[in-house]
Amino acid sequence: KQEVTQIPAALSVPEGENLVLNCSFTDSAIYNLQWFRQDPGKGLTSLLLIQSSQREQTSGRLNASLDKSSGRSTLYIAASQPGDSATYLCAVPGNTGKLIFGQGTTLQVKP
Amino acid sequence: DTEVTQTPKHLVMGMTNKKSLKCEQHMGHRAMYWYKQKAKKPPELMFVYSYEKLSINESVPSRFSPECPNSSLLNLHLHALQPEDSALYLCASSQGLAGLSYEQYFGPGTRLTVT
Repeated sequence: KQEVTQIPAALSVPEGENLVLNCSFTDSAIYNLQWFRQDPGKGLTSLLLIQSSQREQTSGRLNASLDKSSGRSTLYIAASQPGDSATYLCAVPGNTGKLIFGQGTTLQVKP
Repeated sequence: DTEVTQTPKHLVMGMTNKKSLKCEQHMGHRAMYWYKQKAKKPPELMFVYSYEKLSINESVPSRFSPECPNSSLLNLHLHALQPEDSALYLCASSQGLAGLSYEQYFGPGTRLTVT
């Protein structure tokens, strides 16, 4: 049974710092891994989707990597800003079309 | 346009009421999903529709009744809910089922409060 874990659960950093969020999964036979951002009380915004054949994806200040063999993905945020404060979720698809989510990392970037 | 819309944004209902949540997408996606999210928890899948047919029901109580009238619309009919059903209800869509490597796009959600 696929399980997804995110560490740390919460993170507080000063503005301008580069940071890494971690996601691990137990079954390496995944089709893809998706990173989402969620602001309080809002829906999920898709940040990056990495296909199983890819090693990394970049969008602006965000870079996500995928290492299937070790069951790990990282989301790197460069030059963090207060507007980056949110909860970040990673998810992998199960074999029935269901997304299996980690518990999320809540990020606070302090001015 | 990668937008999924949901109405209403907020809904307060009594335990004897009947109400409906609505979700719409115009991306030509053929899979649509309902998720329930409690505070400080990740979303939990409720239902999946694929090509307008219900393909997954995650053992959801019958007081929640999904409907997919066409490929762009997804409804969730609510009846005789309990206070513990209060949550953020999220709709999502994808080109195909998530297991086939398609990206899921989420709507802004409906905040439901059951009194």
